Amino acid sequence: GEDVEQSLFLSVREGDSSVINCTYTDSSSTYLYWYKQEPGAGLQLLTYIFSNMDMKQDQRLTVLLNKKDKHLSLRIADTQTGDSAIYFCAETGGSYIPTFGRGTSLIVHP
Amino acid sequence: GAGVSQTPSNKVTEKGKYVELRCDPISGHTALYWYRQSLGQGPEFLIYFQGTGAADDSGLPNDRFFAVRPEGSVSTLKIQRTERGDSAVYLCASSGGTRPTGELFFGEGSRLTVL
Repeated sequence: GEDVEQSLFLSVREGDSSVINCTYTDSSSTYLYWYKQEPGAGLQLLTYIFSNMDMKQDQRLTVLLNKKDKHLSLRIADTQTGDSAIYFCAETGGSYIPTFGRGTSLIVHP
Repeated sequence: GAGVSQTPSNKVTEKGKYVELRCDPISGHTALYWYRQSLGQGPEFLIYFQGTGAADDSGLPNDRFFAVRPEGSVSTLKIQRTERGDSAVYLCASSGGTRPTGELFFGEGSRLTVL
């Protein structure tokens, strides 16, 4: 079945880069997504990448996709305290309905 | 409204009771999704509507769970004979496409606590 795996926690110093990793198992994945969830709020789409791309850059965010290894990463440059949140990786397989990972809690400290 | 609205934001009920959770999607969005998020977990898919019909209900855990969207807009998730294991945040999301693409707009969720 479909499975999306992420590490649970990441702690970085303000101003450093953060890299959040995700692996997935569905080889038919068409779209891969990063969502952000702040405390008490709903999930918010940050960025996405089509499976025929290997990189996408959007301001401070860089998404890298290694389709061969089924590995997705999100790099946040110049991480700020406002970036502290839970980041969810999601993929849409053959059903086109997103399957989410457990989320990575990013903690940014001064 | 501007975003996806879910009510109630919090619901506390007793084991065995019936509950209804409501979702008002973004105006004009044809696709509507329900997910369930337990503590420390990611959202778990329950059901997907395209218009009025349930296009995929494969995530509903058992027949105590049911959802409707009679006019293709507001949706209600109904849980009968609630159990303590049903305690979670129930998330609703909508999207504008006729085919699911994963670009979902989420509400803030309804937190259900079953005592």
